[in-house]
Amino acid sequence: GAGVSQSPSNKVTEKGKDVELRCDPISGHTALYWYRQSLGQGLEFLIYFQGNSAPDKSGLPSDRFSAERTGGSVSTLTIQRTQQEDSAVYLCASSFLKGQGAYEQYFGPGTRLTVT
Amino acid sequence: AQSVTQLDSQVPVFEEAPVELRCNYSSSVSVYLFWYVQYPNQGLQLLLKYLSGSTLVKGINGFEAEFNKSQTSFHLRKPSVHISDTAEYFCAVTGFDGNQFYFGTGTSLTVIP
Repeated sequence: GAGVSQSPSNKVTEKGKDVELRCDPISGHTALYWYRQSLGQGLEFLIYFQGNSAPDKSGLPSDRFSAERTGGSVSTLTIQRTQQEDSAVYLCASSFLKGQGAYEQYFGPGTRLTVT
Repeated sequence: AQSVTQLDSQVPVFEEAPVELRCNYSSSVSVYLFWYVQYPNQGLQLLLKYLSGSTLVKGINGFEAEFNKSQTSFHLRKPSVHISDTAEYFCAVTGFDGNQFYFGTGTSLTVIP
C-alpha cells in the first residue's frame, strides 16, 4: 500500500525566498507530524495535527514557519524568508488516532531543503 | 516534558559481534518508548516499541530492547550483527497522550566486515 509521501524530494532555494513542503499521509491516519532533521542534531519536533483538534505548534522555531492541514489529509509546511540555518531534511510522519494502534509513526522519505 | 539521551553518537562493531545501543530518557510521567532505524538514503522505520506488558521487547531483524523503569533506560541489543544493520538508530519517547514525540540525536552503527 501507499506510504507517506513528501514533495519535493529536494529543494534548493535562495536566502529570503519562501518555500512550501508537502506531505501526503497514509489514508486513514488522522495524526500528522512534521520534524526537522539536521546533521548531528537528531529529529526536532515542529508541529503536530490530531484529527480536527487545534494543532500543537509548540515546536515551530520562529514565526517564519507555519503549517496547515487541509481536509484532515494533506499538509503543507511553509517557511517564509528562508535563512541558511533552515537547511535540513524535513520529515513528515502520520499515525492512527490514539487507542487504534496509535503511537506508531510512519515516516515519509523527507524533503532535503538547501538554502543558498 | 520528556527528553531522550543517546550517549553514543557512533558505534563501530565487527560483523557477527553483539551490540548494545544505549538510550536513557527523562520524564515525570509514564511513557511509551520506541526505536527507529534509518538506513542510508531511506526514511525512518519502526524497529520496536514498548507500550506495556513485558519489559523485554522484540523487534524486526533480530533486535530487542529492555525497558528499565528504575534506570529510565531502553537499550537496544542484537546478539550478532550483520553488514546490513549499518544504519542510524533513533530512540524516541512519548507520553500517554502521544502528542509529542521526543527523539534522541541518533546512534550511527557501522558494521565492519
